[in-house]
Amino acid sequence: EPEVTQTPSHQVTQMGQEVILRCVPISNHLYFYWYRQILGQKVEFLVSFYNNEISEKSEIFDDQFSVERPDGSNFTLKIRSTKLEDSAMYFCASSVSQLSSYEQYFGPGTRLTVT
Amino acid sequence: AQSVTQLGSHVSVSEGALVLLRCNYSSSVPPYLFWYVQYPNQGLQLLLKYTTGATLVKGINGFEAEFKKSETSFHLTKPSAHMSDAAEYFCAVSPPSGGYNKLIFGAGTRLAVHP
Repeated sequence: EPEVTQTPSHQVTQMGQEVILRCVPISNHLYFYWYRQILGQKVEFLVSFYNNEISEKSEIFDDQFSVERPDGSNFTLKIRSTKLEDSAMYFCASSVSQLSSYEQYFGPGTRLTVT
Repeated sequence: AQSVTQLGSHVSVSEGALVLLRCNYSSSVPPYLFWYVQYPNQGLQLLLKYTTGATLVKGINGFEAEFKKSETSFHLTKPSAHMSDAAEYFCAVSPPSGGYNKLIFGAGTRLAVHP
């Protein structure tokens, strides 16, 4: 069964450093998402992406964040200058359609620890 | 703005007992509703969803949920708990029409099943 994969599973970085989290969505999916979950808190929407453009972003997704689909398979989330409060589990998801009734498939997550 | 409330961050049941995980949403228009499950070190997996039609929805692993518009609820049930059901369960909502289907999650309920 096709699945969303994410690398690395755990990333430790120092405050102020740039990090890139990588995701490989399901191959025939067209819509891509990033969510995050700070320890003990809700899963929160960050950004959705379609046709090489951001479709929607949340208030969390400020200028420190960017997303890219550099080739036909990868979907990346970059944090330019990490802060302690960026420590969280980051989930990538993809779906075949943007319609709200369509399922989003989630990856296993990348745990980011900023020290 | 839409929001999701899951009553009980931790629920503990005996093997074979009824599982009831509660979810209430706040929305001016009934949204689409989802239950996701997360097993340790894995991504979020869709259990079931309600979009339109029959309000009692059956999902995987013997789970079902009933959409009750009058109560703005979408509680998840399973008649007989199994040890393998131990996981974290997330209720989520999505706008019912148009737009992109970002998911808004509840805080999650951790289900423990004991012998």
